[in-house]
Amino acid sequence: QQQVKQSPQSLIVQKGGISIINCAYENTAFDYFPWYQQFPGKGPALLIAIRPDVSEKKEGRFTISFNKSAKQFSLHIMDSQPGDSATYFCAASISSGGFKTIFGAGTRLFVKA
Amino acid sequence: NAGVTQTPKFQVLKTGQSMTLQCAQDMNHEYMSWYRQDPGMGLRLIHYSVGAGITDQGEVPNGYNVSRSTTEDFPLRLLSAAPSQTSVYFCASSYIQGQKLFFGSGTQLSVL
Repeated sequence: QQQVKQSPQSLIVQKGGISIINCAYENTAFDYFPWYQQFPGKGPALLIAIRPDVSEKKEGRFTISFNKSAKQFSLHIMDSQPGDSATYFCAASISSGGFKTIFGAGTRLFVKA
Repeated sequence: NAGVTQTPKFQVLKTGQSMTLQCAQDMNHEYMSWYRQDPGMGLRLIHYSVGAGITDQGEVPNGYNVSRSTTEDFPLRLLSAAPSQTSVYFCASSYIQGQKLFFGSGTQLSVL
């Protein structure tokens, strides 16, 4: 049972293009939605996160769009660069009553120079 | 500033052997957890702890044991290794439950 569904599994984007990764969740108790970036041989690192009381959060070239009614959120990478080539994981967690961060299956992004 | 330290980085076991994956953090985080990463499966939560002496099961706890005797350390024990436990294991910690996770660099485990 996968509580956080992520798509696509892999993505190839031209340099300068927009990368879009989508996630959907089931548990309405989730109240924190982070995105993690992982380079080969490294552990994941937090990229950007959002709470469900806002519909969008932007940090530099990275934007999270959040649709609470649809239980969906997405990561947009503007002006994608070869250095953005990595695996991206969406996640969801409940900030009270326990500590469980559930991850999506991941998206391998390759940005062509 | 070490952050989250995992040892060993690589390990090969034979079926039935036992071993302990070590995880230590120096950030005084109350919350620690173990994940396994498999191709196409993302990161799946094995066990987690909300403080010294308190642990709980995650999504895939079978075949693994944990204990938390100190704030700094959270070892993961494989009692009788099986080929299905071949994976990359990550330890993570957090200051606030469910918030920003800090990950170690991982342990690549192969069970033959």
